[in-house]
Amino acid sequence: QVQLVQSGAEVKKPGASVKVSCKISGYTLSELSMHWVRQAPGKGLEWMGGFAPEDGKTVYAQKFQGRVTMTEDTSTDTAYMELSSLRSEDTAVYYCTTEPYIAYCSGGSCYLWGQGTLVTVSA
Amino acid sequence: DIQMTQSPSPLSASVGDRVTITCRTSQTISNYLNWYQQIPGRAPKLLIYAASNLHPGVPLRFSGSGSGTDFILTISSLQPEDFATYYCQQTYSTPRTFGQGTTVEIK
Repeated sequence: QVQLVQSGAEVKKPGASVKVSCKISGYTLSELSMHWVRQAPGKGLEWMGGFAPEDGKTVYAQKFQGRVTMTEDTSTDTAYMELSSLRSEDTAVYYCTTEPYIAYCSGGSCYLWGQGTLVTVSA
Repeated sequence: DIQMTQSPSPLSASVGDRVTITCRTSQTISNYLNWYQQIPGRAPKLLIYAASNLHPGVPLRFSGSGSGTDFILTISSLQPEDFATYYCQQTYSTPRTFGQGTTVEIK
């Protein structure tokens, strides 16, 4: 079954770091372009960064430069997003999502979303 | 950065109505545009990819059109399960950007 499965909810104190994982099944990580999107409570979708095939590299949104690190473990087909120096405004649901890269994609089958991981930042 | 402007926001409609949501981009993006539906507490669900292609399993009452800078999502006959928030997203360049969302509310 083609899906993205994310790690569970986290509660962190201000100043701490959080690392969210996203395991892909049905494709390999190298076949797709992995991105991370977050959604604060009651707000819209915000792209944080991801592998951009058009740039040939991982690109981070300017807002998160210096605080976010996105990595991939191709041996386990798991992607990670680590956000540091957390503040209350980082409380949000974090999603991993994919785009087509080198995989053969039937229809929109390569546009996958994880179930979301709630990260709560509170003292 | 490519700015995305959705309208209207919000949108009040009744069951059976024909509904159109517009997404305008600040630069041309060819057809690199997706439409998503989101129900509160759930991950976004892909409806339309590459501007006009219906994702398998999505009801035929949904359709997408447009190219360049102007795009439209149409729901031909609104159903109760369609009351949700809809987002457009461009995948033409980084940073990827989303519209601000259009919430379809019950009139």
